[in-house]
Amino acid sequence: GQQLNQSPQSMFIQEGEDVSMNCTSSSIFNTWLWYKQDPGEGPVLLIALYKAGELTSNGRLTAQFGITRKDSFLNISASIPSDVGIYFCAGQLRAGGTSYGKLTFGQGTILTVHP
Amino acid sequence: KAGVTQTPRYLIKTRGQQVTLSCSPISGHRSVSWYQQTPGQGLQFLFEYFSETQRNKGNFPGRFSGRQFSNSRSEMNVSTLELGDSALYLCASSLVTGGALDTQYFGPGTRLTVL
Repeated sequence: GQQLNQSPQSMFIQEGEDVSMNCTSSSIFNTWLWYKQDPGEGPVLLIALYKAGELTSNGRLTAQFGITRKDSFLNISASIPSDVGIYFCAGQLRAGGTSYGKLTFGQGTILTVHP
Repeated sequence: KAGVTQTPRYLIKTRGQQVTLSCSPISGHRSVSWYQQTPGQGLQFLFEYFSETQRNKGNFPGRFSGRQFSNSRSEMNVSTLELGDSALYLCASSLVTGGALDTQYFGPGTRLTVL
């Protein structure tokens, strides 16, 4: 099936450092979403992107919807210990039919922040 | 506004049994999607319901089924459980307006263990 390639798979950083992760797809998506998941919990929405080229910020988080509609990146600035978790990208088509309610997820980036 | 709720949070079953999981969407949300999350396969789309109708289905065997009620609450059922069905089952709800508000919001999940 459709796959999203998310990288890196894991990151170990010092508190205060900036973080960057990205997702690429072989197919075009109309929506890109970034979620964070803590152990034993469901993914929490961080940023939603709806237009190619869109750059959106949410506090220390910034995400962009690639112009080709096949990629997206997420940056976290000045990381803090509570940023620890697994970050997922997800893409969605909006054409209906086999796209209804279906998000395709990347494999996740495990972020560890050392104080 | 209350978030997506899922019950139960944890379940232990034995092979061959069946299980029913419940999901209550955010008030006003009409679409419910279900996902299976495992360490090996990541987050995989199961199916989506809107107005009590299944509009989309992922690549899972017929042992996995679901339904949606008139109040948008949804249940999923897995029959003849196998060891490989052990996973975190997540549901997500969205408004379904056709616009930017279709973003999916996830519940905390139900952790199913099959022995």
